[in-house]
Amino acid sequence: GENVEQHPSTLSVQEGDSAVIKCTYSDSASNYFPWYKQELGKRPQLIIDIRSNVGEKKDQRIAVTLNKTAKHFSLHITETQPEDSAVYFCAANSNTNAGKSTFGDGTTLTVKP
Amino acid sequence: SAVISQKPSRDICQRGTSLTIQCQVDSQVTMMFWYRQQPGQSLTLIATANQGSEATYESGFVIDKFPISRPNLTFSTLTVSNMSPEDSSIYLCSGGQGNTGELFFGEGSRLTVL
Repeated sequence: GENVEQHPSTLSVQEGDSAVIKCTYSDSASNYFPWYKQELGKRPQLIIDIRSNVGEKKDQRIAVTLNKTAKHFSLHITETQPEDSAVYFCAANSNTNAGKSTFGDGTTLTVKP
Repeated sequence: SAVISQKPSRDICQRGTSLTIQCQVDSQVTMMFWYRQQPGQSLTLIATANQGSEATYESGFVIDKFPISRPNLTFSTLTVSNMSPEDSSIYLCSGGQGNTGELFFGEGSRLTVL
């Protein structure tokens, strides 16, 4: 089955700095890579996603890059703000896997004011 | 986005008892899943809830311990049976459309087993 590894497990940055979280996956059939943000005590929510036919996608301060050959994808957050503090999960999903997503272990991001 | 409602939001249970969690989704959702999230951990898929048939369980999860029903497209239940303290966790209902992959989550049910 799919295996998703996520690094780092914790990340602390100063407000205004950039943050990068990296994930690798094992199943070459995976073709959809979402990122979820989970604030303390709340449900995970999708913040950005990318499909395998695209190398990069941006949404304001958030971007995701995908390297299919190397089987890794990354989340980039620029100009971080304290409200970006949360746990971020990457995931991989394959059409051949009945719509199931395999999640990374999560990264706890702390943005210091 | 899809709306997913889940209840109870939290409960404290005695060892050996069972608890059923209910999940209601809106009509945008075609697939339903149940995840477990232990404190400070990632999301682990328990099973896919199949409409009108037996759920599809992931390795390490069995029907006797986590019976799941999905009598129609928009409703599912997860029962945590014969609970032990190790079952203390957050149980999340999620839904999605298989062709997009995006998942929407319920607010979670935090179970504490004493």
